[in-house]
Amino acid sequence: EVQVVESGGGLVQPGGSLRLSCAGSGFGFSSHWMSWVRQAPGKGLEWVANIEDDGSQQYYVDSVKGRFTISRDNTKNSLYLHLNSLRVEDTAVYYCSPVDGPWGQGTLVTVSS
Amino acid sequence: QAGLTQPPSVSKDLRQTATLTCTGNSNNVGHQGPVWLQQHQGHPPKLLSYRNNDRPSGISERFSASRSGNTASLTITGLQPEDEADYYCSAWDSSLNAWVFGGGTKLTVL
Repeated sequence: EVQVVESGGGLVQPGGSLRLSCAGSGFGFSSHWMSWVRQAPGKGLEWVANIEDDGSQQYYVDSVKGRFTISRDNTKNSLYLHLNSLRVEDTAVYYCSPVDGPWGQGTLVTVSS
Repeated sequence: QAGLTQPPSVSKDLRQTATLTCTGNSNNVGHQGPVWLQQHQGHPPKLLSYRNNDRPSGISERFSASRSGNTASLTITGLQPEDEADYYCSAWDSSLNAWVFGGGTKLTVL
């Protein structure tokens, strides 16, 4: 079955950290660039970060540069997003996807005191 | 990072045809066609169309994508109640090495 499954979301205080994980299967994970995309409550989709298929290059939206880190482990068909120095405006459902492929259910990150 | 332009809302009658548009520039939509995503309230996005306008397995033939220059379109024929949803376009931007998204179009089926 073609799928991605995200995990690791939760409630965190401003300034805190989280690590999101994503497991991909059924679509040749290691040959795809992968992305994290987020959706704030009641808002549209926003691309957050990309990583090349071999993990050699990463790209970020300006608002998360220096705070978030995307990484992958192709031996485990897994994608990660380390979120540091979290802000209230980072509150969103975070999706892992090649975008041009399967989308998972997402994982909710809530940043609140 | 600038996004793609989509009309915020479109309303059409049951069984009619809706055409949703998505406008970008030569670095994204004009370079390679966007993907189209459907999202029902409370659910994750679902891929409707690949960048080459092909449909993934299981997507109805009522959905068809096309592109002319910097503008892409998603046409939905024979509108059904279940087509009522938000529709997003997203294109790879070759200058940013990033996916850029449209703001989404809310389709209402009357």
